[in-house]
Amino acid sequence: EPEVTQTPSHQVTQMGQEVILRCVPISNHLYFYWYRQILGQKVEFLVSFYNNEISEKSEIFDDQFSVERPDGSNFTLKIRSTKLEDSAMYFCASSSGTREKFFGPGTRLTVL
Amino acid sequence: AQTVTQSQPEMSVQEAETVTLSCTYDTSESDYYLFWYKQPPSRQMILVIRQEAYKQQNATENRFSVNFQKAAKSFSLKISDSQLGDAAMYFCAYRIRPSGSRLTFGEGTQLTVNP
Repeated sequence: EPEVTQTPSHQVTQMGQEVILRCVPISNHLYFYWYRQILGQKVEFLVSFYNNEISEKSEIFDDQFSVERPDGSNFTLKIRSTKLEDSAMYFCASSSGTREKFFGPGTRLTVL
Repeated sequence: AQTVTQSQPEMSVQEAETVTLSCTYDTSESDYYLFWYKQPPSRQMILVIRQEAYKQQNATENRFSVNFQKAAKSFSLKISDSQLGDAAMYFCAYRIRPSGSRLTFGEGTQLTVNP
């Protein structure tokens, strides 16, 4: 069964450093998403991406964040200058649009 | 703005018994989807069940069923014959119908299954 994959599974970085989280969505899906979950809290929407552009973003998704689909398979989330409060689990998801979203296993980001 | 509320931070159930997790939501939309996701300790998000708002019939997936009360904006999850593997955090989620729209999650309910 096709699945969403994410790399790395755990990323440790120093405050102020740039990080790139990578995702490979399911191949025939058209919509791509990033969500984050701070430890012990609910899952929050960051951004959705369709037809090579951002279709919706939340108030969390400020200028420090960017997304890109550099080729036909990868979908990336970049955080330019990480802060302590960016420490969280980041989930990539994809969907064909009409059905449910399929989530990846997540990347745990730790900012020191 | 749409909101999803899960008023039970923790629940516990004996193995083989039945448990119901509560969820309420607020929306002005008439057409939407509701979901229950399971998050085990691995933190993977796993879809448990989905309900379309236009369907009056409650969704069922094996031991999992929902009680969808559209007028009351209530969407509870019933787990029958609970198993140890059901222990996880359960999130209720909502999205409007148009393709690609975001999911809004509740705060989650931590379910413990006692042997």
